Amino acid sequence: DAGVIQSPRHEVTEMGQEVTLRCKPISGHDYLFWYRQTMMRGLELLIYFNNNVPIDDSGMPEDRFSAKMPNASFSTLKIQPSEPRDSAVYFCASSLDSGGRGNQPQHFGDGTRLSIL
Amino acid sequence: SQKIEQNSEALNIQEGKTATLTCNYTNYSPAYLQWYRQDPGRGPVFLLLIRENEKEKRKERLKVTFDTTLKQSLFHITASQPADSATYLCALPFVFGPGTRLSVLP
Repeated sequence: DAGVIQSPRHEVTEMGQEVTLRCKPISGHDYLFWYRQTMMRGLELLIYFNNNVPIDDSGMPEDRFSAKMPNASFSTLKIQPSEPRDSAVYFCASSLDSGGRGNQPQHFGDGTRLSIL
Repeated sequence: SQKIEQNSEALNIQEGKTATLTCNYTNYSPAYLQWYRQDPGRGPVFLLLIRENEKEKRKERLKVTFDTTLKQSLFHITASQPADSATYLCALPFVFGPGTRLSVLP
Protein backbone atom coordinates (compact mmCIF):
# COMPACT_ATOMS: atom_id res chain seq x y z
CA ASP A 1 0.00 0.00 0.00
CA ALA A 2 1.14 3.52 -0.71
CA GLY A 3 1.97 5.56 2.31
CA VAL A 4 1.18 9.21 2.93
CA ILE A 5 2.26 11.21 -0.08
CA GLN A 6 3.34 14.83 0.22
CA SER A 7 4.26 17.30 -2.47
CA PRO A 8 6.43 19.08 -3.21
CA ARG A 9 9.39 17.57 -1.34
CA HIS A 10 11.23 20.85 -1.44
CA GLU A 11 10.00 24.39 -1.93
CA VAL A 12 12.08 27.53 -2.09
CA THR A 13 10.28 30.80 -2.53
CA GLU A 14 10.58 34.46 -1.74
CA MET A 15 9.01 36.19 1.19
CA GLY A 16 5.48 37.36 0.48
CA GLN A 17 4.65 34.59 -1.95
CA GLU A 18 1.83 32.12 -1.45
CA VAL A 19 2.88 28.58 -0.63
CA THR A 20 0.64 25.53 -0.99
CA LEU A 21 1.63 22.16 0.45
CA ARG A 22 -0.27 19.04 -0.54
CA CYS A 23 -1.00 15.74 1.13
CA LYS A 24 -2.64 12.48 0.13
CA PRO A 25 -3.39 10.34 3.20
CA ILE A 26 -3.53 6.57 3.34
CA SER A 27 -6.81 5.31 1.95
CA GLY A 28 -9.27 4.41 4.69
CA HIS A 29 -7.68 6.62 7.33
CA ASP A 30 -10.13 8.91 9.08
CA TYR A 31 -7.69 11.32 10.67
CA LEU A 32 -5.27 13.68 8.97
CA PHE A 33 -2.67 15.78 10.75
CA TRP A 34 -0.40 18.63 9.72
CA TYR A 35 2.82 19.16 11.70
CA ARG A 36 5.74 21.56 11.48
CA GLN A 37 9.25 20.56 12.56
CA THR A 38 12.10 22.92 13.38
CA MET A 39 15.29 22.50 15.36
CA MET A 40 14.14 25.03 17.94
CA ARG A 41 10.57 23.87 18.51
CA GLY A 42 10.59 20.22 17.45
CA LEU A 43 7.51 18.62 15.94
CA GLU A 44 4.44 20.76 16.50
CA LEU A 45 0.85 19.88 15.65
CA LEU A 46 -0.74 22.60 13.53
CA ILE A 47 -4.19 21.19 12.79
CA TYR A 48 -5.99 17.90 12.46
CA PHE A 49 -9.07 16.69 10.63
CA ASN A 50 -11.51 13.88 11.29
CA ASN A 51 -13.56 12.73 8.32
CA ASN A 52 -12.52 15.88 6.43
CA VAL A 53 -13.72 18.20 9.20
CA PRO A 54 -11.16 20.37 11.06
CA ILE A 55 -11.24 19.37 14.73
CA ASP A 56 -8.46 21.39 16.34
CA ASP A 57 -6.59 24.24 14.67
CA SER A 58 -5.21 25.77 17.84
CA GLY A 59 -1.68 25.05 16.66
CA MET A 60 -1.98 27.14 13.53
CA PRO A 61 0.45 29.98 14.20
CA GLU A 62 -1.49 32.83 12.67
CA ASP A 63 -4.07 33.81 10.13
CA ARG A 64 -1.53 33.51 7.35
CA PHE A 65 -1.90 29.76 7.67
CA SER A 66 -4.94 27.87 6.44
CA ALA A 67 -5.70 24.21 5.82
CA LYS A 68 -8.43 22.47 3.91
CA MET A 69 -9.52 18.92 3.30
CA PRO A 70 -12.02 18.95 0.43
CA ASN A 71 -12.27 15.16 0.34
CA ALA A 72 -10.96 12.06 2.06
CA SER A 73 -7.95 11.73 -0.23
CA PHE A 74 -6.54 15.24 -0.34
CA SER A 75 -5.53 18.06 1.97
CA THR A 76 -3.69 21.34 1.54
CA LEU A 77 -1.81 23.65 3.88
CA LYS A 78 -1.49 27.18 2.58
CA ILE A 79 0.67 30.05 3.79
CA GLN A 80 -0.13 33.49 2.47
CA PRO A 81 1.89 35.65 2.64
CA SER A 82 4.94 33.58 3.53
CA GLU A 83 7.70 34.86 5.83
CA PRO A 84 11.27 33.64 6.47
CA ARG A 85 10.27 32.38 9.93
CA ASP A 86 7.92 29.91 8.25
CA SER A 87 10.94 27.99 6.99
CA ALA A 88 10.65 24.45 8.38
CA VAL A 89 9.80 20.89 7.41
CA TYR A 90 6.06 20.37 7.18
CA PHE A 91 4.73 16.86 7.71
CA CYS A 92 1.36 15.36 6.98
CA ALA A 93 0.26 12.23 8.82
CA SER A 94 -2.85 10.06 8.80
CA SER A 95 -4.31 7.46 11.12
CA LEU A 96 -7.28 5.22 11.62
CA ASP A 97 -10.14 6.39 13.79
CA SER A 98 -9.01 6.79 17.35
CA GLY A 99 -12.17 8.40 18.61
CA GLY A 100 -10.07 11.46 19.28
CA ARG A 101 -8.05 9.60 21.88
CA GLY A 102 -4.80 9.49 19.92
CA ASN A 103 -4.39 5.77 20.43
CA GLN A 104 -3.72 4.87 16.82
CA PRO A 105 -0.31 4.99 15.18
CA GLN A 106 0.21 7.94 12.91
CA HIS A 107 1.69 7.32 9.48
CA PHE A 108 3.83 10.20 8.29
CA GLY A 109 4.80 11.37 4.85
CA ASP A 110 8.39 12.36 4.19
CA GLY A 111 7.59 16.04 4.52
CA THR A 112 8.02 19.21 2.54
CA ARG A 113 11.17 21.18 3.28
CA LEU A 114 10.15 24.80 2.94
CA SER A 115 12.62 27.65 2.65
CA ILE A 116 11.38 31.23 2.54
CA LEU A 117 14.06 33.68 1.40
CA SER B 1 0.36 23.18 29.43
CA GLN B 2 1.42 19.66 28.53
CA LYS B 3 5.14 19.17 28.37
CA ILE B 4 7.29 16.24 27.29
CA GLU B 5 11.00 15.97 28.02
CA GLN B 6 13.40 13.39 26.70
CA ASN B 7 16.47 12.68 28.74
CA SER B 8 19.11 13.94 26.42
CA GLU B 9 19.47 15.48 23.06
CA ALA B 10 22.03 12.87 22.00
CA LEU B 11 23.17 9.49 23.24
CA ASN B 12 26.21 7.55 22.05
CA ILE B 13 26.59 3.88 22.85
CA GLN B 14 28.76 0.99 21.74
CA GLU B 15 27.38 -1.66 19.42
CA GLY B 16 25.93 -4.61 21.30
CA LYS B 17 25.04 -2.60 24.39
CA THR B 18 21.54 -1.71 25.54
CA ALA B 19 20.35 1.82 24.81
CA THR B 20 17.92 3.33 27.28
CA LEU B 21 16.01 6.47 26.40
CA THR B 22 13.81 8.35 28.86
CA CYS B 23 10.60 10.27 28.33
CA ASN B 24 9.05 12.36 31.11
CA TYR B 25 5.81 14.29 30.88
CA THR B 26 3.92 16.80 32.99
CA ASN B 27 0.42 18.21 33.19
CA TYR B 28 -1.08 15.20 31.47
CA SER B 29 -2.62 11.84 32.31
CA PRO B 30 -2.38 9.98 29.03
CA ALA B 31 -4.13 6.70 28.39
CA TYR B 32 -1.51 5.89 25.75
CA LEU B 33 2.07 6.69 24.93
CA GLN B 34 3.84 6.01 21.63
CA TRP B 35 7.42 5.83 20.44
CA TYR B 36 8.57 6.74 16.93
CA ARG B 37 11.83 6.58 15.03
CA GLN B 38 12.92 9.33 12.67
CA ASP B 39 15.77 9.07 10.17
CA PRO B 40 17.31 12.18 8.56
CA GLY B 41 15.15 13.55 5.78
CA ARG B 42 12.27 11.20 6.57
CA GLY B 43 9.05 11.37 8.53
CA PRO B 44 8.69 9.66 11.91
CA VAL B 45 7.87 5.95 11.83
CA PHE B 46 5.70 4.35 14.50
CA LEU B 47 7.41 1.73 16.67
CA LEU B 48 5.35 0.91 19.73
CA LEU B 49 2.24 1.96 21.64
CA ILE B 50 1.80 1.25 25.33
CA ARG B 51 -1.42 1.72 27.31
CA GLU B 52 -1.67 3.05 30.84
CA ASN B 53 -2.64 -0.36 32.19
CA GLU B 54 0.38 -2.02 30.56
CA LYS B 55 3.61 -1.83 32.51
CA GLU B 56 5.79 -3.17 29.73
CA LYS B 57 5.63 -3.96 26.05
CA ARG B 58 8.13 -5.73 23.81
CA LYS B 59 8.73 -5.97 20.08
CA GLU B 60 11.79 -7.87 18.95
CA ARG B 61 14.78 -6.01 20.46
CA LEU B 62 12.63 -3.12 21.67
CA LYS B 63 11.10 -2.78 25.12
CA VAL B 64 8.96 0.05 26.46
CA THR B 65 7.84 0.65 30.02
CA PHE B 66 5.20 3.10 31.21
CA ASP B 67 5.01 4.33 34.80
CA THR B 68 1.99 6.59 35.22
CA THR B 69 2.93 7.39 38.82
CA LEU B 70 6.35 8.68 37.85
CA LYS B 71 4.93 10.08 34.59
CA GLN B 72 7.74 8.40 32.74
CA SER B 73 8.35 5.97 29.91
CA LEU B 74 11.61 4.15 29.24
CA PHE B 75 12.54 2.86 25.79
CA HIS B 76 15.19 0.15 25.54
CA ILE B 77 16.99 -1.23 22.50
CA THR B 78 18.90 -4.39 23.36
CA ALA B 79 21.88 -5.69 21.39
CA SER B 80 22.07 -2.33 19.64
CA GLN B 81 23.35 -2.10 16.07
CA PRO B 82 24.66 0.81 13.99
CA ALA B 83 21.42 0.55 11.98
CA ASP B 84 19.55 1.61 15.13
CA SER B 85 21.15 5.05 14.89
CA ALA B 86 18.31 7.55 14.50
CA THR B 87 16.26 10.05 16.47
CA TYR B 88 13.65 8.54 18.74
CA LEU B 89 10.56 10.51 19.67
CA CYS B 90 8.07 9.77 22.39
CA ALA B 91 4.52 10.99 21.90
CA LEU B 92 1.45 11.56 23.98
CA PRO B 93 -1.82 11.95 22.09
CA PHE B 94 -1.10 14.69 19.53
CA VAL B 95 2.04 15.96 21.34
CA PHE B 96 5.59 14.88 20.49
CA GLY B 97 8.71 15.12 22.58
CA PRO B 98 11.86 16.81 21.28
CA GLY B 99 13.55 13.49 20.52
CA THR B 100 16.83 11.84 21.45
CA ARG B 101 19.43 11.31 18.74
CA LEU B 102 20.95 7.87 19.24
CA SER B 103 24.29 6.95 17.70
CA VAL B 104 25.40 3.33 17.94
CA LEU B 105 29.14 3.14 17.38
CA PRO B 106 30.66 0.03 15.74
